[in-house]
Amino acid sequence: EVVLTQSPATLSFSPGERATLSCRASQSVSSCLAWYQQKPGQAPRLLIYDASKRATGIPARFSGSGSGTDFTLTISSLEPEDFAVYYCQQCSDWRTFGPGTKVDIK
Amino acid sequence: QVHLVESGGGVVQPGRSLRLSCAASGFTFKTYGMHWVRQAPGKGLEWVAIIGHDGSYKAYTDSVKGRFTISRENSKNTLYLQMNSLGAEDMAVYFCARDFEIGKYIDYWGQGTLVTVSS
Repeated sequence: EVVLTQSPATLSFSPGERATLSCRASQSVSSCLAWYQQKPGQAPRLLIYDASKRATGIPARFSGSGSGTDFTLTISSLEPEDFAVYYCQQCSDWRTFGPGTKVDIK
Repeated sequence: QVHLVESGGGVVQPGRSLRLSCAASGFTFKTYGMHWVRQAPGKGLEWVAIIGHDGSYKAYTDSVKGRFTISRENSKNTLYLQMNSLGAEDMAVYFCARDFEIGKYIDYWGQGTLVTVSS
């Protein structure tokens, strides 16, 4: 089973700052990776798929990169509504999620 | 727009069964694969099961194989999850979700239904 690691568990930023989140896979998943955003009490929302493609309606400040085992989600300038938990998910071997990174306000 | 509404959650004793339903609207249900994903309280996300658009393909995560059954009724635009032999480890919010990119990802989620396993 592919294990995804997201560290650190929490990152603190001020609005307007650039945020870079990391996701590492225990073995290569090629580009079969997505990022989701989840706010408290809500369902997750698909942000990025195939490692770097933005889902429909997702603002351009969200971008994804990487392939193989190392992936990055970048939020170029944090808006107040971006403070949430972010999960990566791989689809190379079954489907597993990372443990999540919480982006909170500094 | 796409709308997914889960129902059937509640409190159930260990070892008992529960069936979840998911009513879909706003898209052509019979042409999409569907998923169940769960989230234990305060924890991360876990993929539970996936079903193909016509029900011919089904797959499960190892921890529920032999206990859970995913099914669908395309004439009623409804997805199901039959859960048997429930244990404490199954306690979670269960999300119904629509498939994206042929089984790889999820593009729409319901709001979830809570399953509590307690004696």
